[in-house]
Amino acid sequence: EADIYQTPRYLVIGTGKKITLECSQTMGHDKMYWYQQDPGMELHLIHYSYGVNSTEKGDLSSESTVSRIRTEHFPLTLESARPSHTSQYLCASSEYGVYSGNTIYFGEGSWLTVV
Amino acid sequence: KNQVEQSPQSLIILEGKNCTLQCNYTVSPFSNLRWYKQDTGRGPVSLTIMTFSENTKSNGRYTATLDADTKQSSLHITASQLSDSASYICVVSDRGSTLGRLYFGRGTQLTVWP
Repeated sequence: EADIYQTPRYLVIGTGKKITLECSQTMGHDKMYWYQQDPGMELHLIHYSYGVNSTEKGDLSSESTVSRIRTEHFPLTLESARPSHTSQYLCASSEYGVYSGNTIYFGEGSWLTVV
Repeated sequence: KNQVEQSPQSLIILEGKNCTLQCNYTVSPFSNLRWYKQDTGRGPVSLTIMTFSENTKSNGRYTATLDADTKQSSLHITASQLSDSASYICVVSDRGSTLGRLYFGRGTQLTVWP
């Protein structure tokens, strides 16, 4: 059972609102990731972190920002939501880099709808 | 271009039957290949992880195979159950950067009917 948690699970907000998606893990993992997934499509990496105070942008351009002040916490923020941000956002973590073959644990996801 | 292609896109089988899902990839340099199960509206859950030297790995009724020469993998599900209805995602990792990078397939949507 993965000890990685995302809140909220479902959210509907108006255009222009600021939203923060929370992600926490209790496994002590240094590596954390945010993915974006539209229905029926593949996951796309939008942000990742090697550890505290380390964040990098992923492959898919995103207007969101992230922070990593504590090992267990990796929140994602949208300063001004737009309908194009409507998607599922998945947080993940791993002990080592993905090349090492260790398990990558995913949260349950946050479904964001911007109207 | 590094890619992961899965087939079929969707599959319907009767409860108790077996099925095999396919994954072809062009990712290089290859590091490992993972199969995930993703229930509708949930996050992916790891089924198997295989490195270059492994050609088969089992997890209960799930058996994954890997042919690194032809860059193909399959996931075989034995004696399917209604709870197997989900999307099965093939994920390939390279070793071309410090952390490595994951390449995701679009998944095979499996529906098991009673």
